Amino acid sequence: AQSVTQLDSHVSVSEGTPVLLRCNYSSSYSPSLFWYVQHPNKGLQLLLKYTSAATLVKGINGFEAEFKKSETSFHLTKPSAHMSDAAEYFCVVSGGSQGNLIFGKGTKLSVKP
Amino acid sequence: DADVTQTPRNRITKTGKRIMLECSQTKGHDRMYWYRQDPGLGLRLIYYSFDVKDINKGEISDGYSVSRQAQAKFSLSLESAIPNQTALYFCATSQLGGGPSGANVLTFGAGSRLTVL
Repeated sequence: AQSVTQLDSHVSVSEGTPVLLRCNYSSSYSPSLFWYVQHPNKGLQLLLKYTSAATLVKGINGFEAEFKKSETSFHLTKPSAHMSDAAEYFCVVSGGSQGNLIFGKGTKLSVKP
Repeated sequence: DADVTQTPRNRITKTGKRIMLECSQTKGHDRMYWYRQDPGLGLRLIYYSFDVKDINKGEISDGYSVSRQAQAKFSLSLESAIPNQTALYFCATSQLGGGPSGANVLTFGAGSRLTVL
């Protein structure tokens, strides 16, 4: 069975400092992995996806994530946080032969001026 | 216009009332989904549909029903609403394709906030 664990429910950083949002997954086969972002009062938007190509995936707004099979991790990073990055972030793994997606519980990112 | 439109955006109702949330899409996608979001729980799948004649239960289907009226329309019903169904509901779509290595990128609507008193 597939599962995903976001290790932090809330992360707070200062503007201009690096962002690290951690995600571990469990899958019985090579998974597809995604990060989605949800800004306040908005729907979810795809940030980036991994589908067994390059292990370092670049997304929108300067975010990137690295797939590490040995560590079963897919952490999201950004070199320098911006105020507009304040949002909730969801790590997602493909859930099975039907391709359903399993969402993590989310990490709320706060950015301090 | 939005690719995935949900109506209503906000609804307050009373226990025991029947509620329908509607979703329409202009993406031309075959697959449609209904998710529920609760604080601290992420998104949980209620129902999904791979085409008009294919409806499947998700993780938390009890107390809900759905109807796929057309390729572009997928509605969620609460036959008799109860307070613990108070949540933010999302409709989403994706292209046909998937499987273990598929990249089912979801396009989400803006959400329907339901409050059951």
